[in-house]
Amino acid sequence: DIQMTQSPPSLSASVGDRVTITCRASQSIFSYLNWYQQKPGRAPKLLIFAASSLQSGVPSRFSGAGSGTDFTLTISSLQPEDFATYYCQQSYSSFRTFGGGTKVDIK
Amino acid sequence: QVQLQESGPGLLKPSGTLSLTCAVSGGSISSNNWWSWVRQPPGKGLEWIGEMYPSGSANYNPSLKSRVTISLDKSKNQFSLNLSSVTAADTAVYYCARDSQMVRGIINYYYMDVWGKGTTVTVSS
Repeated sequence: DIQMTQSPPSLSASVGDRVTITCRASQSIFSYLNWYQQKPGRAPKLLIFAASSLQSGVPSRFSGAGSGTDFTLTISSLQPEDFATYYCQQSYSSFRTFGGGTKVDIK
Repeated sequence: QVQLQESGPGLLKPSGTLSLTCAVSGGSISSNNWWSWVRQPPGKGLEWIGEMYPSGSANYNPSLKSRVTISLDKSKNQFSLNLSSVTAADTAVYYCARDSQMVRGIINYYYMDVWGKGTTVTVSS
């Protein structure tokens, strides 16, 4: 199976900060990488698919980059509603796997 | 737009079988999508359980494969999850999701773009 490793596991940031979360795959997954946002008590929400494509309705301050084994999710200017946990997920393998998550909280 | 709603017992005894249903509204379960189950133990991350395509093809998490069955009921526009021989480790919030595809050239990208709200399942004697 393909292991997905996110870093950092958590971070503290302020409104307006630029935030970058990293996801590394244990083997090349080309661009088969998705990002989700999850708030407490809520279902995950798709933000980015195919490594860099913004899901409809998602603010443009979210962006994704990378290919192969190394990927990033960037929030250009953190907003109050962005405090949440973020997960990467690979869809290269028919055995889908998620990263362990990155919790973004208020500094 | 497509909406998903999970239903099923919230409490199970160890060694029992977990059975959940996901009702699909606003779209057809026969469309070209995979239909998935994902779970999240309390305070932990997301774990993919498995998925099924309308053709009947299925993929399962190897760690759960011996205990899991996913099925589709096209007449009711819903899909189901059965997980046998449950233990306390199966306590989690269970989500159903649509695993959509986008074709870009010769590449099919898959992503879970529609999710149910989740249902909590507790395994306890």
